[in-house]
Amino acid sequence: DAGVIQSPRHEVTEMGQEVTLRCKPISGHDYLFWYRQTMMRGLELLIYFNNNVPIDDSGMPEDRFSAKMPNASFSTLKIQPSEPRDSAVYFCASSLDRERETQYFGPGTRLLVL
Amino acid sequence: AQKVTQAQTEISVVEKEDVTLDCVYETRDTTYYLFWYKQPPSGELVFLIRRNSFDEQNEISGRYSWNFQKSTSSFNFTITASQVVDSAVYFCALIRRGFKTIFGAGTRLFVKA
Repeated sequence: DAGVIQSPRHEVTEMGQEVTLRCKPISGHDYLFWYRQTMMRGLELLIYFNNNVPIDDSGMPEDRFSAKMPNASFSTLKIQPSEPRDSAVYFCASSLDRERETQYFGPGTRLLVL
Repeated sequence: AQKVTQAQTEISVVEKEDVTLDCVYETRDTTYYLFWYKQPPSGELVFLIRRNSFDEQNEISGRYSWNFQKSTSSFNFTITASQVVDSAVYFCALIRRGFKTIFGAGTRLFVKA
């Protein structure tokens, strides 16, 4: 079975540009999570969805960040405008409702904002 | 306070040695979940194990074993007969109600041939 798919795997952009990260969860999973990993702050939960509905976005750092899940098989995390301090690895994860705490992670998107 | 502490920043061992990675957690919740994830040099996060707060049974999976002790709030991970492929960063994580997820800072394990 395919795992969580993220694209792009690497993104280099200039400050002020819009960045869109994409995620396809494991088929049949009800929960989707977005995380950010930096050297300074480690792994942080940004937002999570249940059945395509955002449940908790308290980890989203600023209004420049937004996330959507238009259907069960696709989610986006958008940064507009991007800043150098947004440089990080962004992970998407998904889980099944009956064992919702066990999250399976995608390969991550490494973002560099110049 | 809710916290996960992995006091060992880096560990270096020679192949075939046993190694234990420590994880100490703090939470006031009575129901919580503990995890270990592996992050190899390629960067992905690989799920290793999950433990519920009400299940203190230890577990062994091949060369991996986990020791969960609520009395000391610890969830330690032992690799027996380590191999070069075990070289990675290992994260311990605590998930509380509402998916409040707290990851430890990670322990980087180097296994030398």
